[in-house]
Amino acid sequence: ILNVEQSPQSLHVQEGDSTNFTCSFPSSNFYALHWYRWETAKSPEALFVMTLNGDEKKKGRISATLNTKEGYSYLYIKGSQPEDSATYLCAFAYGQNFVFGPGTRLSVLP
Amino acid sequence: KAGVTQTPRYLIKTRGQQVTLSCSPISGHRSVSWYQQTPGQGLQFLFEYFSETQRNKGNFPGRFSGRQFSNSRSEMNVSTLELGDSALYLCASSRQNIAEEETQYFGPGTRLLVL
Repeated sequence: ILNVEQSPQSLHVQEGDSTNFTCSFPSSNFYALHWYRWETAKSPEALFVMTLNGDEKKKGRISATLNTKEGYSYLYIKGSQPEDSATYLCAFAYGQNFVFGPGTRLSVLP
Repeated sequence: KAGVTQTPRYLIKTRGQQVTLSCSPISGHRSVSWYQQTPGQGLQFLFEYFSETQRNKGNFPGRFSGRQFSNSRSEMNVSTLELGDSALYLCASSRQNIAEEETQYFGPGTRLLVL
C-alpha cells in the first residue's frame, strides 16, 4: 500500500499571514494529484487537480505546484483569512487506486 | 445545476445486516467514486465507476461492492455489516475518471452507524 504524507499535521496562523503545506507521494506510476479543502460539517471541496510535472495552478489566494519527479506538491495560501480554516487534503491517483494523505488542519486566528 | 445527492443521509443498522447507499451525480457526469471516512483511518477510496464499469478500486474487502446504472446513478452495497463499518460514506462525481485532470464534486454523505 503506497503512502501519501502531508506536513505539517496542523497549523495555527494569524489572519493576514501566508502559509504553505506539503504533500509527499511516491514518484512512480503517477497519474494525478488532487487537492481538497474540507471544512467541518461540509463536504470536501476540490481545489486543484494536477497531472503534469512543473504544473502550477492558482485559485484566488490559493496556489499549488507539482513536482512528480521528486514526489511532492506544495499548497500556498496568501494572506490567510479565518474562512480558510479547514483541513487540506491531497490525494494521489496511481494505477487503479486513489490514496489520500492524512491532511493538514489549518486554523486562522482573527 | 443540481449538485451530487446521496440517500439516505443517516442510517442505523445492526451487525450482520446489509445496506445499500445511493448516489446521484451531477447531470452529465459519468464518473462516480465512493469514499469511507472514519476517525481512525481518515478518508479512504472505495471504488470508482465510469460509464457503468468499475474502473478503479481501493483496498477494501469484497463485502463492499457497487454498481452504476445507465443514467450514471450509483449504488454501494455493504454486506454482513461489522461494527467497524460505521463511518461517513461520501460519493463524488466528475465528467472523467479520477486519473484525469478533472474536478470531483462531493455529495453530503451518508452517515452509517452499525450497532
